[in-house]
Amino acid sequence: GQNIDQPTEMTATEGAIVQINCTYQTSGFNGLFWYQQHAGEAPTFLSYNVLDGLEEKGRFSSFLSRSKGYSYLLLKELQMKDSASYLCAVRDPGTGFQKLVFGTGTRLLVSP
Amino acid sequence: EADIYQTPRYLVIGTGKKITLECSQTMGHDKMYWYQQDPGMELHLIHYSYGVNSTEKGDLSSESTVSRIRTEHFPLTLESARPSHTSQYLCASSELTEGSGYTFGSGTRLTVV
Repeated sequence: GQNIDQPTEMTATEGAIVQINCTYQTSGFNGLFWYQQHAGEAPTFLSYNVLDGLEEKGRFSSFLSRSKGYSYLLLKELQMKDSASYLCAVRDPGTGFQKLVFGTGTRLLVSP
Repeated sequence: EADIYQTPRYLVIGTGKKITLECSQTMGHDKMYWYQQDPGMELHLIHYSYGVNSTEKGDLSSESTVSRIRTEHFPLTLESARPSHTSQYLCASSELTEGSGYTFGSGTRLTVV
């Protein structure tokens, strides 16, 4: 089976930098995704990593280490609107990678 | 503009009623999914489809059923709604090719009274 672990909750201050970690254990690997979900809304795609290293997209960056089964999402210059849940997801090898398996999400609270 | 649509956005219905939650996408994606999510909780896959006439049950047992007669349409039906069905239902579609994840609809928040 697949197992994805993320911290349940994090807090940070506006303007700061926060790193949200995700560890995964899967029988195979074919890509890791990060999604943002505001309360009561649908998840929206943030980033995708399939090779080791850092992918940067504006204020958001995502890092992957396949050998360690580890990823993080880095949010810089935090804004109040970044308060949301952040979901880590990997492709499910059990279905030929045709589905995503989601972690439980990390709820980020940004305070003034 | 290519997108994925869910209707209704909110629904309050009495116990025992039959309901269908609609999901349509205009992106030509073969793969479609239904997730159930309680407030502040994780996503649970309840149904998925890899294409027309293909449907599978997900990881979470559900009393709902789905159909996939057309590529763009993936409705979810509850034959007899119960209060335990109160939840948010999210529909998603994907090509799941390199770098492409899911695109989610805006969800249907269902309350069964």
